[in-house]
Amino acid sequence: GAVVSQHPSWVICKSGTSVKIECRSLDFQATTMFWYRQFPKQSLMLMATSNEGSKATYEQGVEKDKFLINHASLTLSTLTVTSAHPEDSSFYICSANRPGGGNTEAFFGQGTRLTVV
Amino acid sequence: AQSVTQPDIHITVSEGASLELRCNYSYGATPYLFWYVQSPGQGLQLLLKYFSGDTLVQGIKGFEAEFKRSQSSFNLRKPSVHWSDAAEYFCAVRGGGADGLTFGKGTHLIIQP
Repeated sequence: GAVVSQHPSWVICKSGTSVKIECRSLDFQATTMFWYRQFPKQSLMLMATSNEGSKATYEQGVEKDKFLINHASLTLSTLTVTSAHPEDSSFYICSANRPGGGNTEAFFGQGTRLTVV
Repeated sequence: AQSVTQPDIHITVSEGASLELRCNYSYGATPYLFWYVQSPGQGLQLLLKYFSGDTLVQGIKGFEAEFKRSQSSFNLRKPSVHWSDAAEYFCAVRGGGADGLTFGKGTHLIIQP
């Protein structure tokens, strides 16, 4: 079964509103989670690394004030798209590495399809 | 910085035929390498991974991949494809255990009857 759960699986929101996406690790504690963005028919791009108890690390070109990440517990990271606009419409996917030293495997959530109208 | 190249955007294969999807990576040391499959509108499913050891790795659904350090490649193979294999395939690399993944652009696999 799924070890990383993402919610919601899809959301439609009005331009200017904010949307929160949750990513939960179900059977392990994840000090680090990752958020990716995928445009239609394109690859996944790492947006940011979510660190439990500290600030997220954003990739170059990703606006930290627009994509707010909170990793308040060892099993939950949230991505909030603030003041969403149509160009933010995309597929957002989170992942978490199961702890176990260097050879850790990344488990992905099911993804969230965001449509801003 | 690490990078992944999947040179084939689309590949069409007849059902029952063999398959090879190409992946080349750029990384200074021995990377962690992955192949994922994605069906339309879905998340990612891990097919197989290479961390160390035997350079020929077996995965799920009859897939295998071979790590060739000299060619910086990690090509995915399957001896006989099924219609259900039609999907998007992504090769990915990770430098360290705590790092995020760098993905290739993906290869869209089409299966002909």
